[in-house]
Amino acid sequence: DSGVTQTPKHLITATGQRVTLRCSPRSGDLSVYWYQQSLDQGLQFLIQYYNGEERAKGNILERFSAQQFPDLHSELNLSSLELGDSALYFCASSAREQVTTLHFGNGTRLTVT
Amino acid sequence: AQSVAQPEDQVNVAEGNPLTVKCTYSVSGNPYLFWYVQYPNRGLQFLLKYITGDNLVKGSYGFEAEFNKSQTSFHLKKPSALVSDSALYFCAVRDRNLAAGNKLTFGGGTRVLVKP
Repeated sequence: DSGVTQTPKHLITATGQRVTLRCSPRSGDLSVYWYQQSLDQGLQFLIQYYNGEERAKGNILERFSAQQFPDLHSELNLSSLELGDSALYFCASSAREQVTTLHFGNGTRLTVT
Repeated sequence: AQSVAQPEDQVNVAEGNPLTVKCTYSVSGNPYLFWYVQYPNRGLQFLLKYITGDNLVKGSYGFEAEFNKSQTSFHLKKPSALVSDSALYFCAVRDRNLAAGNKLTFGGGTRVLVKP
């Protein structure tokens, strides 16, 4: 068990809808990273937060947004969903701002119909 | 930009035989290198990392990897594979130069199938 908790495990929703994915990092970890895993794109970095502030941005669509709250949990908001957004979304945490070892949650599987 | 290549989509090996999963990387500076394993319906689990020092890194579950700077490679190895090693393996890199971006870049993954 990595200590990173993601909810929900599964989400099924329709195109055009909005969903929120939640992540609680390992105890003591200040950095949270979001990754998207799809069959055709592999594992893609979306965004990183450190102690509540955005620190790095990857291939995140404008329809997607994230935030990290004072208790360090993070939420990834996906809106105007498209079929192509169907994927596994992983949250990972690390102790420091500069990434070394990442600890991954078990992911949220999003299916857009 | 940093990148990782895992040239084999799948590796098949008989139980008890040596297992090698290949990884090459590209960074502008010096790398931090990682191996992760993913079992079905699970997140990625950390296996080992190279930060500095000895080029041969030992990790979890009997795995090891060798950093080769001249060949820009970081191949994962296990002397004697187990059926339970069947999983998806990811190599990842981060450039030590943070100007290149504070993120891990992952390879496309290699599926390992160990047959009894």
